[in-house]
Order: sequence, then structure tokens, then C-alpha cells
Amino acid sequence: DSGVTQTPKHLITATGQRVTLRCSPRSGDLSVYWYQQSLDQGLQFLIQYYNGEERAKGNILERFSAQQFPDLHSELNLSSLELGDSALYFCASSGEGYTFGSGTRLTVV
Amino acid sequence: GENVEQHPSTLSVQEGDSAVIKCTYSDSASNYFPWYKQELGKRPQLIIDIRSNVGEKKDQRIAVTLNKTAKHFSLHITETQPEDSAVYFCAARDGKLTFGQGTILTVHP
Repeated sequence: DSGVTQTPKHLITATGQRVTLRCSPRSGDLSVYWYQQSLDQGLQFLIQYYNGEERAKGNILERFSAQQFPDLHSELNLSSLELGDSALYFCASSGEGYTFGSGTRLTVV
Repeated sequence: GENVEQHPSTLSVQEGDSAVIKCTYSDSASNYFPWYKQELGKRPQLIIDIRSNVGEKKDQRIAVTLNKTAKHFSLHITETQPEDSAVYFCAARDGKLTFGQGTILTVHP
């Protein structure tokens, strides 16, 4: 167990729908990072939150948004889903180093 | 922003041989360089890291070297074993982690 908790582990949904992915960082970590990993692709940085505030933005689509709550858990919202959004979505938290959660596998059908 | 190039994309070795994976980065402000191992369907796991004030670091069969002047760093795995087979990612941090494209390492018994 890495200490970073992601739910759900799997999600199957239809095109056009909206889903929410959830991440709880390790105890004491203030930063949460979201990454997308598509088939045969590397890890693409989406967005970073630090202590509730957006800190950095990567290649995140306008259909995607995120937030970090006072208890430091974070949610990634994906809307108007397309087939190409099917991927593994990881969050990571950082203290000394980055630790990844187990990921959410999203399948859009 | 930071750009990380990783080579080779695939690497096949015989058990007991050494494996070397190389990465280059673009942003001289990057100061932390971790390596992750990812098995199929699982989360990336940190295997070794190096900071910009260190030239080399070893941990049993794995070692990482860093050349700040040339902006490149390498992962060395000696006495490879079949369980070393996985995808390996390098990364560079300038605020957030930027990952290389990954190397699929296959160790044949």
C-alpha cells in the first residue's frame, strides 16, 4: 500500500457521460498530481494542486477539471467523455518523492 | 517547459546481462531525477532517484548516474533477472515531474 488512495479502481461509462475520480494523498503530503496514461503512452501530466490551490497545469483538456478540498483529497472530473479518454488515471502525492496511487482504469464505450 | 527524452524504447537482454537506459532533459533548473518501474496494469513505483548535487547513486543491482553539464542521466541494472522485466520511466522535476516515454525491458531466462 503506497498510502495514496484512488477510487474507483475501474470505471466503465458511455460516451458523453461525466465521471469523477477521487484521490487521497499520503498523510502529511500537501500536493496532489494527476497523470493520464493511455495505451502505449507514457505518463502525461494533467494538473497539480498544493494545499487546495492549483499550482501547475499540463495538457489538461477543457472538458476536464479538478479540485482539492480542505481535507486535501482531490477529485478529477471528466465530462463529455470520448472514446479517446479511455486510459489509466493516476494521482500522486509528494513529500520527499512522488508516490503514485493504484490508478483508476477508465473505459469509455 | 521541461522535455525528457528516453532511449531506447525497448530493450531485450539475457538473464545476467546488464541493462542501460538513458535520458536527457532540457531544463537546467530541474534538480531531482527519479526512476520508476511499472509492471503491467500497476502503478509506477520509485526504484531509485538522484538529486542534482550528486553524480552517482547505487542501490544493490541498480545505479543511476547524472551528468548535469550534458543534461543526461542513466539507469544501470546489473545481473538482470526475469522479474526486472517491466516498463521503466525516467523523470525530471522542475516543480512537477515530467516523464520520459518509457522503456520496455524484457529479460529472457
